[in-house]
Amino acid sequence: AQSVTQPDIHITVSEGASLELRCNYSYGATPYLFWYVQSPGQGLQLLLKYFSGDTLVQGIKGFEAEFKRSQSSFNLRKPSVHWSDAAEYFCAVGAPFTGGGNKLTFGTGTQLKVEL
Amino acid sequence: DGGITQSPKYLFRKEGQNVTLSCEQNLNHDAMYWYRQDPGQGLRLIYYSQIVNDFQKGDIAEGYSVSREKKESFPLTVTSAQKNPTAFYLCATRGTGVSYEQYFGPGTRLTVT
Repeated sequence: AQSVTQPDIHITVSEGASLELRCNYSYGATPYLFWYVQSPGQGLQLLLKYFSGDTLVQGIKGFEAEFKRSQSSFNLRKPSVHWSDAAEYFCAVGAPFTGGGNKLTFGTGTQLKVEL
Repeated sequence: DGGITQSPKYLFRKEGQNVTLSCEQNLNHDAMYWYRQDPGQGLRLIYYSQIVNDFQKGDIAEGYSVSREKKESFPLTVTSAQKNPTAFYLCATRGTGVSYEQYFGPGTRLTVT
């Protein structure tokens, strides 16, 4: 079965500093990988996705992520963090259900705090 | 305005009562999902539906029920059998094709006392 690990529960960065959020996945086949962001009390918004091709993917709000098959990782990065980036970030892997259809398996999330 | 609507935003119930959470979408998406979110546990899948009149249990279906009578609607009932119903509930949809990406509603926070 697939799984996702986000090793950092909380991360604090200063505004303007660079950011990297870690994500490791376990899945036997080629993974479909996602990063979502959630503001307090809100739903999840898709930041970016990887299906195939170029291993460096660009997303919204200036975020990017790099797929590294050898390390089973899909880390999220941003060169300069803004105070509005404070939120919870979820990594997810997509896989098919046994009985048809497909599902996302989510990590437990990383809470990002931005210091002004 | 296209999207996913969940109502109400906050819901309070007494223990022992069933409660139904609404999820409506006008994205014309076939698949719909219900997740439960608890602090530090990420999102856990309760039920999903790929087409009208069909739905499947997810990882934590006990104490929950759903229906899918219309493509646009996928209500979730939290029954009195659910031992710890207080949580944040998220509805999501997925379009047709191979894509796995899901789109989420704003969520309903249910508090049972």
